[in-house]
Amino acid sequence: EDQVTQSPEALRLQEGESSSLNCSYTVSGLRGLFWYRQDPGKGPEFLFTLYSAGEEKEKERLKATLTKKESFLHITAPKPEDSATYLCAWGGSNYKLTFGKGTLLTVNP
Amino acid sequence: KAGVTQTPRYLIKTRGQQVTLSCSPISGHRSVSWYQQTPGQGLQFLFEYFSETQRNKGNFPGRFSGRQFSNSRSEMNVSTLELGDSALYLCASSSAAIQETQYFGPGTRLLVL
Repeated sequence: EDQVTQSPEALRLQEGESSSLNCSYTVSGLRGLFWYRQDPGKGPEFLFTLYSAGEEKEKERLKATLTKKESFLHITAPKPEDSATYLCAWGGSNYKLTFGKGTLLTVNP
Repeated sequence: KAGVTQTPRYLIKTRGQQVTLSCSPISGHRSVSWYQQTPGQGLQFLFEYFSETQRNKGNFPGRFSGRQFSNSRSEMNVSTLELGDSALYLCASSSAAIQETQYFGPGTRLLVL
């Protein structure tokens, strides 16, 4: 069965303390790996799409990378406003996204 | 460009009732997907429509159904509501290539009493 696993489930950082979130997948036919940010009570907000191993994308303090079996979301010098749940999802050829359970990130001032 | 819109934003229903949720995709997007989000199961795929045709369906009972109109707007219906149907229902749209980025709406929060 296709699976997407995110770790850790929750992460608490001090402002400025860099870290990484992990997304591992056991799927066949990866066509895209997606990262979203979700704030409480809101829909997921798109961050990145990665299509092939070795690909990297950056946006402000966030950088996403992709290997053959994992993706990482690196957060550099986070701020309290980066606190949210970060979701990764695998996209195959069947028109759906398979999501991980997410990582709840809390950044303390 | 306006984002994905969903109505209503909040609903309270009782067991046995039925409910219809609506989704308007981003202008120009022809694919609409629906997901159910609960604290225990996370985001789970319900179904996907393109040009009024359902192309894929998730593992949900037949009480969950949907449709898409010629203007790409979509509705989903849940009949005979159960307590376990309480969830955030999310709609997402994309430009419809096999795996394009999906953009999500704010969701409809359904509470079944």
